[in-house]
Amino acid sequence: GAVVSQHPSRVICKSGTSVKIECRSLDFQATTMFWYRQFPKQSLMLMATSNEGSKATYEQGVEKDKFLINHASLTLSTLTVTSAHPEDSSFYICSASLRTSGGATDTQYFGPGTRLTVL
Amino acid sequence: QKEVEQNSGPLSVPEGAIASLNCTYSDRGSQSFFWYRQYSGKSPELIMSIYSNGDKEDGRFTAQLNKASQYVSLLIRDSQPSDSATYLCAVNTLRDDKIIFGKGTRLHILP
Repeated sequence: GAVVSQHPSRVICKSGTSVKIECRSLDFQATTMFWYRQFPKQSLMLMATSNEGSKATYEQGVEKDKFLINHASLTLSTLTVTSAHPEDSSFYICSASLRTSGGATDTQYFGPGTRLTVL
Repeated sequence: QKEVEQNSGPLSVPEGAIASLNCTYSDRGSQSFFWYRQYSGKSPELIMSIYSNGDKEDGRFTAQLNKASQYVSLLIRDSQPSDSATYLCAVNTLRDDKIIFGKGTRLHILP
């Protein structure tokens, strides 16, 4: 149980184009979904927190207009990188949270990630 | 003080030995603690969660929690080369009910 999928797994695009990444919780309804970015050999960086039906909460320094998040249902969140540039090339990972029995807080389960390369 | 601290490593451990990974946290009211493993180029996967003081065992993995010392650890017995990865400690914060990740410890199991 607690499987999270991401699509696509890898994308290469030209500078200036927009890229949409989907994150789905396959066998559970997620209370919250999160979007992270990770550059090579660096730690996870939380970009935004997303709740179904409401606006995403962005971390400091993350541009809302550049990284559009839509949380259409309890099982689907999308991240759109608008007008992508080479510096946006990174590994984008989503996670979905699930309140498990015995847990005081939600547990996060990660998707497999999307590797974005902007030429 | 950083909210969740881990030694970045690399920690090198001979195959078959016990690997000990440590994590300290600053929010004394934290209630939930997690260990994730991340292989190079992959996303993190949950290994264990722990909520109460003491030890919790799952196969070769044992999580240890000491809330008084604000310390959580992960022991890996009979270490295998396949255990070589970065291990992330994650702790919830009551302040805003977020889960905060440490920067991870790189573990290298020597064949």
